[in-house]
Amino acid sequence: QSVLTQPPSASGTPGQRVTISCSGSSSNFGAISVNWYRQFPGTAPKLLIYTNNQRPSGVPDRFSGSKSGTSASLAISGLESDDEADYHCAAWDDSLRGYVFGTGTKVTVL
Amino acid sequence: QVQLQESGPGLVKPSETLSLTCSVSGGSFNTYYWSWIRQPPGKGLEWIGFISESGFSNYNPSLKSRVSLSVDKTKNQVSLKVTSVTAADTAMYYCAGDEGAGYFDYWGQGTPVTVSS
Repeated sequence: QSVLTQPPSASGTPGQRVTISCSGSSSNFGAISVNWYRQFPGTAPKLLIYTNNQRPSGVPDRFSGSKSGTSASLAISGLESDDEADYHCAAWDDSLRGYVFGTGTKVTVL
Repeated sequence: QVQLQESGPGLVKPSETLSLTCSVSGGSFNTYYWSWIRQPPGKGLEWIGFISESGFSNYNPSLKSRVSLSVDKTKNQVSLKVTSVTAADTAMYYCAGDEGAGYFDYWGQGTPVTVSS
């Protein structure tokens, strides 16, 4: 079951900026970092943003993350057709002593 | 570069036990916490549990009564067992590694499991 809430879908035209929200609780967002994974159809998720706003090597700076209180956001600027994918937020939950994932957001490029 | 490969039966009968193995290569097996994560068709990701090389583990409370993880250090493998499966356990099952920072650096390609008679 997911305990982090994301909008089911988001869309934009090429070149636009799209933002995806992720809402949690104090047990998972209070002092813990948020991470984002991108998943293309039929493939495994892959780390996109870690520790709120850090990009792994190879991830373009069009992708940015932020966190404030019990909410986090992923922004995609300069939207491209290749950005069509599912995006999942995730965090470590202190009360669960495990990982929690968001409900997932499907990004469509119009 | 760490590589993970899941394996196991793709079809399991209801009420039986699902058994999967994750083989890890190309990295330091003992510096990671190894998790199993599943994704039912068309749905989001669900964390199942993690285990370290030393055997320290924890499970998602929603699955804890039916799940067990084990590790074989000699083979760099992590195994998952889910007992008393139902159709709700039908999913793509992924193995993933966290070096202790709270995020998964590495993922396997996943293995599909269908629960059906």
